[in-house]
Amino acid sequence: DAKTTQPPSMDCAEGRAANLPCNHSTISGNEYVYWYRQIHSQGPQYIIHGLKNNETNEMASLIITEDRKSSTLILPHATLRDTAVYYCIVRVSGGNQGGKLIFGQGTELSVKP
Amino acid sequence: GAVVSQHPSWVICKSGTSVKIECRSLDFQATTMFWYRQFPKQSLMLMATSNEGSKATYEQGVEKDKFLINHASLTLSTLTVTSAHPEDSSFYICSAFTSNTEAFFGQGTRLTVV
Repeated sequence: DAKTTQPPSMDCAEGRAANLPCNHSTISGNEYVYWYRQIHSQGPQYIIHGLKNNETNEMASLIITEDRKSSTLILPHATLRDTAVYYCIVRVSGGNQGGKLIFGQGTELSVKP
Repeated sequence: GAVVSQHPSWVICKSGTSVKIECRSLDFQATTMFWYRQFPKQSLMLMATSNEGSKATYEQGVEKDKFLINHASLTLSTLTVTSAHPEDSSFYICSAFTSNTEAFFGQGTRLTVV
């Protein structure tokens, strides 16, 4: 079963930051937090992942609380093309021998003009 | 980033026939690949873990004789839906992890059984 909880839907104005929360209160010390998004009828797209430090890449920032029980994905300047379902997943990492990705229901983000 | 490619993107088949879906890692080797199924308006459901050179590991409730998985090389895994029925119509997606812990997904295969 998925080990994360996300709001089912969120709206965001175009050009504003989108902050997507995720609760993972039962996360283990060796589990990473992964974020993916899925645009309709396509395969999921990798966004970012982290263990305990905040991470940033060209797509987004990942803020993980100090107790690691929750995290927030930040899209700094949302565009209409960011409209998608966003999935937060915890996974035991270990390179390509690590644990599997179990998807929850995700958050449907709608970016509006 | 790394690329995972699926073929075909969509397929229509008659009830009772078998359909093979290919998943390739184009620029990296993958000893493990994962197969998912997704019904409309639902999340991805993990079906099985494909292991290069050994038998696949199936999730609870997934029929191994119906969904045959072969992982014959480090860059190719195949999923064969045998004796397909209309209830097998779904979106099938594969994924693989690179050595630096990022998982990439194929574009998915839309299967329609008529």
